[in-house]
Amino acid sequence: AQSVTQLGSHVSVSEGALVLLRCNYSSSVPPYLFWYVQYPNQGLQLLLKYTSAATLVKGINGFEAEFKKSETSFHLTKPSAHMSDAAEYFCAVSEHNQGGKLIFGQGTELSVKP
Amino acid sequence: DAGVIQSPRHEVTEMGQEVTLRCKPISGHNSLFWYRQTMMRGLELLIYFNNNVPIDDSGMPEDRFSAKMPNASFSTLKIQPSEPRDSAVYFCASSANYEQYFGPGTRLTVT
Repeated sequence: AQSVTQLGSHVSVSEGALVLLRCNYSSSVPPYLFWYVQYPNQGLQLLLKYTSAATLVKGINGFEAEFKKSETSFHLTKPSAHMSDAAEYFCAVSEHNQGGKLIFGQGTELSVKP
Repeated sequence: DAGVIQSPRHEVTEMGQEVTLRCKPISGHNSLFWYRQTMMRGLELLIYFNNNVPIDDSGMPEDRFSAKMPNASFSTLKIQPSEPRDSAVYFCASSANYEQYFGPGTRLTVT
């Protein structure tokens, strides 16, 4: 069965610093991979997705993620953190022919210090 | 597009009462998912439907929980009777092309 592991339940960076949120997955077949963001008191919003096209995926708000099959990773990065990036981030994996069902990681809370 | 619509946004009820949460998915989406989110357990998938048919309800915690999708534009999640441990935020999401779109959630408090 597929699974997702997000390393670090809480990450803190300074404004302007690099953001790196780690995600590793396990899947028996090439997966589709997603990053979602959740701002306080809101639902989850899709940041970006990998669906077997380019391995470097660009998303909204300056975020990007790179699919590395050899490392079974899909880490999320942003070169320069902004205060508005403070939120919870979820990595998710979907296998084909599962009706769009996603397996979510436990989430990483990102704090941005001024 | 209005996105996924959930109602009510907040619900406060007493233990033992019936609670019904409602969801209107995005038009054209053929999959619908119900999730529960708590601090202790994180985000949990309760049940999902494909073309209005329940596919996987293994996440439904117990028989007090039931979900229906009578047509492509409406789904309900019912808890009867409700208990304090059911207090959580309940999200509905609809999906097309493996992208899930979440509603704003219903914050349920059972006293």
